[in-house]
Amino acid sequence: KQEVTQIPAALSVPEGENLVLNCSFTDSAIYNLQWFRQDPGKGLTSLLLIQSSQREQTSGRLNASLDKSSGRSTLYIAASQPGDSATYLCAVETSGSRLTFGEGTQLTVNP
Amino acid sequence: DAGVIQSPRHEVTEMGQEVTLRCKPISGHDYLFWYRQTMMRGLELLIYFNNNVPIDDSGMPEDRFSAKMPNASFSTLKIQPSEPRDSAVYFCASSPHSPTNEKLFFGSGTQLSVL
Repeated sequence: KQEVTQIPAALSVPEGENLVLNCSFTDSAIYNLQWFRQDPGKGLTSLLLIQSSQREQTSGRLNASLDKSSGRSTLYIAASQPGDSATYLCAVETSGSRLTFGEGTQLTVNP
Repeated sequence: DAGVIQSPRHEVTEMGQEVTLRCKPISGHDYLFWYRQTMMRGLELLIYFNNNVPIDDSGMPEDRFSAKMPNASFSTLKIQPSEPRDSAVYFCASSPHSPTNEKLFFGSGTQLSVL
């Protein structure tokens, strides 16, 4: 059974700092990995999708990397802003369009 | 596009009552998913449809839960009878094609409280 772990569970940083969120998964036979953002009381917004054959994806200040063999992914956020405050979740697709989610990292960026 | 639309946003009901959650996926999306989010278990996939046909309902917790997709623009998740342990946020999500190649788009969720 696929298990997804995110470390740390919570992170508080000052504005402008670069930061890294970590995601690990137990079964390396994945189709893809997605990073999502969830704001309080809202649904999830997909930020980046990395196919199993890819090593990284970039969107603006966000960069996600994937090391499938070691079962790890990182989400790098450059020059963090208070508006980046949210919970970030990673999810992997192992089979049959089924995503397994991590518990999330709650990020707070302080002005 | 208005995105994935769910209703109601909040539902408070008493144990034993029937609850119906509704979802309108993004037009043109072939896949529709129902997820449940709780503090204890995180996000769990309940069921998903492809072109209105249920493909995998292995995540549906009990026979009290049922889901339908009568057409490409509407789906329901029904709980009958409801129990306090069903209290959670229920999300509907859709994707253009298989999520293997596409991002998943979520609705804002329905916060269900069963008293």
